[in-house]
Amino acid sequence: GAGVSQSPSNKVTEKGKDVELRCDPISGHTALYWYRQSLGQGLEFLIYFQGNSAPDKSGLPSDRFSAERTGGSVSTLTIQRTQQEDSAVYLCASSRSGTGGTEQYFGPGTRLTVT
Amino acid sequence: AQSVTQLGSHVSVSEGALVLLRCNYSSSVPPYLFWYVQYPNQGLQLLLKYTSAATLVKGINGFEAEFKKSETSFHLTKPSAHMSDAAEYFCAVSVHNTDKLIFGTGTRLQVFP
Repeated sequence: GAGVSQSPSNKVTEKGKDVELRCDPISGHTALYWYRQSLGQGLEFLIYFQGNSAPDKSGLPSDRFSAERTGGSVSTLTIQRTQQEDSAVYLCASSRSGTGGTEQYFGPGTRLTVT
Repeated sequence: AQSVTQLGSHVSVSEGALVLLRCNYSSSVPPYLFWYVQYPNQGLQLLLKYTSAATLVKGINGFEAEFKKSETSFHLTKPSAHMSDAAEYFCAVSVHNTDKLIFGTGTRLQVFP
């Protein structure tokens, strides 16, 4: 079946603009995760959804970052007033459940460049 | 709080040589541990995972890892490196009762002919 897909694959934006990143998880996966991968910070957890609710938003770096998930499926990560330090690869993953020990399946990522 | 430490940001081996990538974890509860591989310009792919069953875990592409509680380690090994193994490898621990992953800083493996 289809894996996790993300769009766009690349996004170049000007500082101060808002961006939306999309994630389509594997069908039937109840848990969805966003991570950020950057040179200086490695792989960082951002936010976790179980169904449509987000019990753990602890990794969002500032209030410019928000995410939602609708219908227990697609998720959108929004970054408002982008800054150069937001440049990174944003990875989405999904898993069958969020109860520990289950494999996460990762998408190819969205490379965000803020100029 | 859980964490993982990967010793060595870069490891170089010759084709056919043993691969050893080190990972130590810290966890106040029995951990779930994972190794993921990332090939250039691709997402992460699961190599193997430890979830408290067998301490020696076999994964894809000939990799295996041994959970050693006394050493708080989960090192990744492969008896004979292939050129296609060149990639970045991440050790991760799963936070208790969720699948939220805490990653190590990664080890880039180079394989020389």
